[in-house]
Amino acid sequence: QKEVEQNSGPLSVPEGAIASLNCTYSDRGSQSFFWYRQYSGKSPELIMFIYSNGDKEDGRFTAQLNKASQYVSLLIRDSQPSDSATYLCAFINTGTASKLTFGTGTRLQVTL
Amino acid sequence: DAEITQSPRHKITETGRQVTLACHQTWNHNNMFWYRQDLGHGLRLIHYSYGVQDTNKGEVSDGYSVSRSNTEDLPLTLESAASSQTSVYFCASSSMGNYGYTFGSGTRLTVV
Repeated sequence: QKEVEQNSGPLSVPEGAIASLNCTYSDRGSQSFFWYRQYSGKSPELIMFIYSNGDKEDGRFTAQLNKASQYVSLLIRDSQPSDSATYLCAFINTGTASKLTFGTGTRLQVTL
Repeated sequence: DAEITQSPRHKITETGRQVTLACHQTWNHNNMFWYRQDLGHGLRLIHYSYGVQDTNKGEVSDGYSVSRSNTEDLPLTLESAASSQTSVYFCASSSMGNYGYTFGSGTRLTVV
């Protein structure tokens, strides 16, 4: 079993809709969770991080964490064509001290 | 402004040659990391460092080495380049604690 599982997609949503990206992880020692966005040919950029169970909102983005179910998600409201990218889920286990483990990413396509 | 830079952006080399990829950060971050990114595998950790004179192997370290002689630089050396090392290489840095990485812009390496 991979440490981090993401559906590779592509996930296609119409402009203005809510995009829901999901990630499951196997390491119960995982402490901190991150969502990165990566445009084609570019480097990953951090868009959200979450440490506690529940929801965390930042503009059009909401991260949701459920440690009991080992599940983290990213919701993008009012999706725009500029949101079309690959979204990488990652986590840190404090036992591995600052070392991020990444999923393979979900490709999101926002259609006009 | 603080930044993390990688050089070169593109490199073509021959099988068996030694290659060094540069990574330089001005964030004054203690932690530095090298990842490779390949289709279907996502980001995989090669080597990492938590400070000067500290280096550690990641999950795909065979054929690679790093050295950390100062806070700013973590060069990645391919001892004898192989075609399997054709990839996009990303350097990243982070501060102490559980915060996400800042990535460099990447180096696309082709081994022919």
